[in-house]
Amino acid sequence: DTAVSQTPKYLVTQMGNDKSIKCEQNLGHDTMYWYKQDSKKFLKIMFSYNNKELIINETVPNRFSPKSPDKAHLNLHINSLELGDSAVYFCASSKDLGGPYEQYFGPGTRLTVT
Amino acid sequence: SQQGEEDPQALSIQEGENATMNCSYKTSINNLQWYRQNSGRGLVHLILIRSNEREKHSGRLRVTLDTSKKSSSLLITASRAADTASYFCATDAAYGNNRLAFGKGNQVVVIP
Repeated sequence: DTAVSQTPKYLVTQMGNDKSIKCEQNLGHDTMYWYKQDSKKFLKIMFSYNNKELIINETVPNRFSPKSPDKAHLNLHINSLELGDSAVYFCASSKDLGGPYEQYFGPGTRLTVT
Repeated sequence: SQQGEEDPQALSIQEGENATMNCSYKTSINNLQWYRQNSGRGLVHLILIRSNEREKHSGRLRVTLDTSKKSSSLLITASRAADTASYFCATDAAYGNNRLAFGKGNQVVVIP
């Protein structure tokens, strides 16, 4: 069974479009995250949610809007896509905010904006 | 925000050799974690070391932490071709909420 899954794995779209990436974890974790990995493999946190509540909101354009319908899901919606949004987006989860706890990562969604 | 910085960034070794990579950070931490990323995959947790620990082992992995120098090292002994990957350190700052700051990563290539 896949612990943290993301869909789609690849996403190619044009500038100005709106797209969503979905994430689900079946680990029973309370905390979920979105990360962005750029072309140089630098990984930066974007958001974290704990039991559906927003905890971390980094300096991310408000075109990016996370939504957590329940603690097993954390989706990422991106409006008005720009070329600079091209990257690999990773979802992750951890047991909760306490810990310290390791984070479990999904396989990533490679977003290409043309 | 703090950020680990691994050094060196690319390492190519023969199978069976040891691989060592370093990570430095800038502020106080609760713990430091190492992750592996195979090409085209997500990150996989390798080992976590708390700020009050100096050394930790897991199989062929050995991690050290020197909080006075704000640095950590990851040693992979008797490397295998399957160890070819990027390795990242990540720090969890002392203010909690399990927020990890990742370094740039080390690319390790193990030649069979």
